Amino acid sequence: DTEVTQTPKHLVMGMTNKKSLKCEQHMGHRAMYWYKQKAKKPPELMFVYSYEKLSINESVPSRFSPECPNSSLLNLHLHALQPEDSALYLCASSQLISRRGYTFGSGTRLTVV
Amino acid sequence: GNSVTQMEGPVTLSEEAFLTINCTYTATGYPSLFWYVQYPGEGLQLLLKATKADDKGSNKGFEATYRKETTSFHLEKGSVQVSDSAVYFCALMEDSSYKLIFGSGTRLLVRP
Repeated sequence: DTEVTQTPKHLVMGMTNKKSLKCEQHMGHRAMYWYKQKAKKPPELMFVYSYEKLSINESVPSRFSPECPNSSLLNLHLHALQPEDSALYLCASSQLISRRGYTFGSGTRLTVV
Repeated sequence: GNSVTQMEGPVTLSEEAFLTINCTYTATGYPSLFWYVQYPGEGLQLLLKATKADDKGSNKGFEATYRKETTSFHLEKGSVQVSDSAVYFCALMEDSSYKLIFGSGTRLLVRP
């Protein structure tokens, strides 16, 4: 299995809703990442997990809450989002201390109304 | 800090034309360099990579050579197809943090 699987593919949520994005990989990668990508922009790093522990938080607002319950799963919990948070959210994974690059999922396209 | 600069797009070519997308970088240490491709509505796919100076990455007819003297990693393809239409991102991986830093992306449109 050489894929990163993200669900759902599309999500529409209101500003008072709570929702979660899910990411799964079975490649044995011990580093996992959340990126945010706005239209016509490059991906921006949000969070990095290594060995299931949060190692980097790129000053992301607390309405985004990541969770790594085990080495294969990564969640992003969303609460009280704003319309400007609408974007493509990408999950990625990699081997630790590796120069092979990241494997990305197909993303969740989030619309906040 | 470390950064990647790509040529502005869109780049519009006719099928079978030669492609060059310029990429230069600024980095301390010895970063690894990557090209990722993003097709409409999809995530990013690794196209090719190079981990040290003078390495050439290649895949699906695309090539790029890690040039430390010019801090460049230009993407080339000898004959593009309509199916190559996508956004191409140049990226570097810091050798200290293993963070992946992207350039702004270059949209390629290939016309039949």
